[in-house]
Amino acid sequence: AQSVTQLGSHVSVSEGALVLLRCNYSSSVPPYLFWYVQYPNQGLQLLLKYTSAATLVKGINGFEAEFKKSETSFHLTKPSAHMSDAAEYFCVLANQAGTALIFGKGTTLSVSS
Amino acid sequence: NAGVTQTPKFRVLKTGQSMTLLCAQDMNHEYMYWYRQDPGMGLRLIHYSVGEGTTAKGEVPDGYNVSRLKKQNFLLGLESAAPSQTSVYFCASRSGTFPGELFFGEGSRLTVL
Repeated sequence: AQSVTQLGSHVSVSEGALVLLRCNYSSSVPPYLFWYVQYPNQGLQLLLKYTSAATLVKGINGFEAEFKKSETSFHLTKPSAHMSDAAEYFCVLANQAGTALIFGKGTTLSVSS
Repeated sequence: NAGVTQTPKFRVLKTGQSMTLLCAQDMNHEYMYWYRQDPGMGLRLIHYSVGEGTTAKGEVPDGYNVSRLKKQNFLLGLESAAPSQTSVYFCASRSGTFPGELFFGEGSRLTVL
């Protein structure tokens, strides 16, 4: 069965520090992976997506993620956190049929000054 | 440019009452989805549709019904609301191109007393 596991439900960093949000997946077929972000009281929006074209994927707002097949991971990083990055982040896996997306439980990122 | 619009945004129901959530998209998307979001659970798929006149069950379909009579609209119905259905409901849509970006509405907060 396909699944997504986000390690750590809450991550706290200082402004300017490295952001690292961890995601591991399980899939018997080559996966399509995404990161979505949800700002307080809003819907979700796409940060970036991996579709096998390149293992290092760049997204909006300075975020990037690296696909590592050997580790079944798709961790999200940003070199320097901003206060505006405080939000909930979801790692997402497309299902095998290509009809729906499977969401991780989410990681809340807090940024302190 | 409205994107995905959900109505109503807030609703309080008593146990046993019925209601319908409406999702409308103006992007001519083939796929539409209803998710529910609960603390610590991420987003769980309730039902989805791959085109006008089609619907399919997701991960947590019990207690909900859906209809897609028009391509732009996807309705989620609760026939007899239960307190366990207290949640934030998100509608999303995407084009038929896989794996396309999901576009989300702003959510509908439902409380069942």
